[in-house]
Amino acid sequence: DQQVKQNSPSLSVQEGRISILNCDYTNSMFDYFLWYKKYPAEGPTFLISISSIKDKNEDGRFTVFLNKSAKHLSLHIVPSQPGDSAVYFCAASADSGAGSYQLTFGKGTKLSVIP
Amino acid sequence: KAGVTQTPRYLIKTRGQQVTLSCSPISGHRSVSWYQQTPGQGLQFLFEYFSETQRNKGNFPGRFSGRQFSNSRSEMNVSTLELGDSALYLCASSLSGIVSYNEQFFGPGTRLTVL
Repeated sequence: DQQVKQNSPSLSVQEGRISILNCDYTNSMFDYFLWYKKYPAEGPTFLISISSIKDKNEDGRFTVFLNKSAKHLSLHIVPSQPGDSAVYFCAASADSGAGSYQLTFGKGTKLSVIP
Repeated sequence: KAGVTQTPRYLIKTRGQQVTLSCSPISGHRSVSWYQQTPGQGLQFLFEYFSETQRNKGNFPGRFSGRQFSNSRSEMNVSTLELGDSALYLCASSLSGIVSYNEQFFGPGTRLTVL
């Protein structure tokens, strides 16, 4: 049972336009959400996060929106740049009860920004 | 500050063999988590170690095990390898494992191929 879903395996956007990456989750215990970016042959790198008590978090060109009632979050990149081309992973966290937090990842969306 | 390092970067084994992967976290980080990445399943959590103790474990069979040393370096072992174990194994470190305050930093991964 996939608790974090990224339904679009790929997305192509023109340079300068907005990229919107979507993520849905099923577990209502998730209380923290993160986006990671991954280039080939590298590990994922942290991009931006949001706590479940917020509905929006912004960092430069990146904004994450959280809709708890719909169990949906999205990552907006404005304006998109060719260097943003990568695989983006959505991840969610819940307290495992042992003082440890376990990340559950979606399968990723490959973003291609066309110059 | 040096990042997370993983050795070896590439590994080829045959079915039935066992393998040990190594991860050196960022200096000062005490939490080390391991993930398996496959095309079909995405990134899946294996286990997390904190101060030499396994604090959290994902849904993987007992063939997958790990340990952490006093210097926070961690090893992951897979016994009786199966073809389906072919994957990219990622290690991530954080200060305390509490995701909301300390995001995880990933290493480049070890690419394991089982023939």
